[in-house]
Amino acid sequence: GAVVSQHPSWVICKSGTSVKIECRSLDFQATTMFWYRQFPKQSLMLMATSNEGSKATYEQGVEKDKFLINHASLTLSTLTVTSAHPEDSSFYICSARPPQVVGNEQFFGPGTRLTVL
Amino acid sequence: EDQVTQSPEALRLQEGESSSLNCSYTVSGLRGLFWYRQDPGKGPEFLFTLYSAGEEKEKERLKATLTKKESFLHITAPKPEDSATYLCAVQEVRSGNTGKLIFGQGTTLQVKP
Repeated sequence: GAVVSQHPSWVICKSGTSVKIECRSLDFQATTMFWYRQFPKQSLMLMATSNEGSKATYEQGVEKDKFLINHASLTLSTLTVTSAHPEDSSFYICSARPPQVVGNEQFFGPGTRLTVL
Repeated sequence: EDQVTQSPEALRLQEGESSSLNCSYTVSGLRGLFWYRQDPGKGPEFLFTLYSAGEEKEKERLKATLTKKESFLHITAPKPEDSATYLCAVQEVRSGNTGKLIFGQGTTLQVKP
């Protein structure tokens, strides 16, 4: 149980285009999902908390107009990188917290490697 | 400033050579401390949650312990397949039920046969 998937696993796009990344909880419903960004040799940095049916909560320094988050259902959250630029190239990872878990563990997706040319 | 610091940054061990990874934290109140394993190009895999000082958890060759200021991940007789980056993360009491995690920089472990 507690499986989280992401699609696509990697994407290459041209500068100025938009890219959408999907995060799905496969065997549980998640009212809250989290989006992280990880640069090479660095740790995970929380970008935003995605709440089903309401607006996402963004961390300080993250541009909400550039990184659009939509939590359309209890099993799907999407991150859209708008007008992507080379500096947006990174590894994007989502996570979710199953409601049936006693603790506060988050389970992570496999990540999406974004390369902006 | 709330902070999570892991040491060492990198660790090379021979197969069978036991060692420990450290995670020190400074937060106003600890709600939980989490250990994850991350393989290159993949998302983190959950290992342990610790909630209070003195707590210990084990899984195969791994054992996690917690004090009021730090956590250790002990690796006993490691095998090459234990090679990965081990991440520590904390959740603060003041974050409420948001689930927000603060991650350390990680320790990259390499176990040579």
